[in-house]
Amino acid sequence: NAGVTQTPKFQVLKTGQSMTLQCAQDMNHEYMSWYRQDPGMGLRLIHYSVGAGITDQGEVPNGYNVSRSTTEDFPLRLLSAAPSQTSVYFCATLGKLSGNTEAFFGQGTRLTVV
Amino acid sequence: AQSVTQLGSHVSVSEGALVLLRCNYSSSVPPYLFWYVQYPNQGLQLLLKYTTGATLVKGINGFEAEFKKSETSFHLTKPSAHMSDAAEYFCAAKKDSNYQLIWGAGTKLIIKP
Repeated sequence: NAGVTQTPKFQVLKTGQSMTLQCAQDMNHEYMSWYRQDPGMGLRLIHYSVGAGITDQGEVPNGYNVSRSTTEDFPLRLLSAAPSQTSVYFCATLGKLSGNTEAFFGQGTRLTVV
Repeated sequence: AQSVTQLGSHVSVSEGALVLLRCNYSSSVPPYLFWYVQYPNQGLQLLLKYTTGATLVKGINGFEAEFKKSETSFHLTKPSAHMSDAAEYFCAAKKDSNYQLIWGAGTKLIIKP
C-alpha cells in the first residue's frame, strides 16, 4: 500500500519550459489537491479535485493546470515555468474511506526554475 | 472566512524542556482541528486530531493538544523535548462538511542541546 506517490522528487527547469508533476494514490480517496510550500508562507492550495472529471482552483492557480481523468491520478502541469514557481510541491488526498478527517501527503517535489 | 493562526514562526526550547506551540482558529462553529509535523525534506504527517468528544487529544511521539472552545485554541504540548522533535509543525482546521483544510503558517521547533 504505497499511499500517495509523487514524481519526480527533484527537478530543475529553465524559464519557459513546461513539465508535469505526477501524483498517484492507491487509497481510493475522492479528494486530491496540490499545494506549494514556500518559506514563511505555509501551504498554499493551487488546485483541487473532488472526483474524476471535477477540478477547481485554489488560492494560487495561475500558471498551473490540472486534470483528473481517474480516481488515482492528479497531475499538475506547469505551462511555462517562471522563477516564481520555484517551490516545493505537495500532493495531498482525503477520503471518506479514511473518515474524511486526515489528509495524506506525498513526499514532495522540489522544483527549481532558473 | 475561517482562519488559523500559529503564534511564532520559530520556537526554541532546550532538550528536556516543555514544548508549547500555539494555535488559534476563527470559526463560529468548532471545526475539526489537526496538528501535522514535517521533518526536513519530507512530507507532512498527522500528529493528532480533534473531531468530537474528549477535548484533550493524545498523538504520536508524546505530543498532546487540548481543544478549548472558549479560547478558540488548540495548543500543542509535550512535557519534555527531544532532539528528534526538531521539525516544522502545522496547525490546520476543517469543517466536517467539506474537504478543504485551512492551514496555519507553520512553526519551526528548534531544540537546543
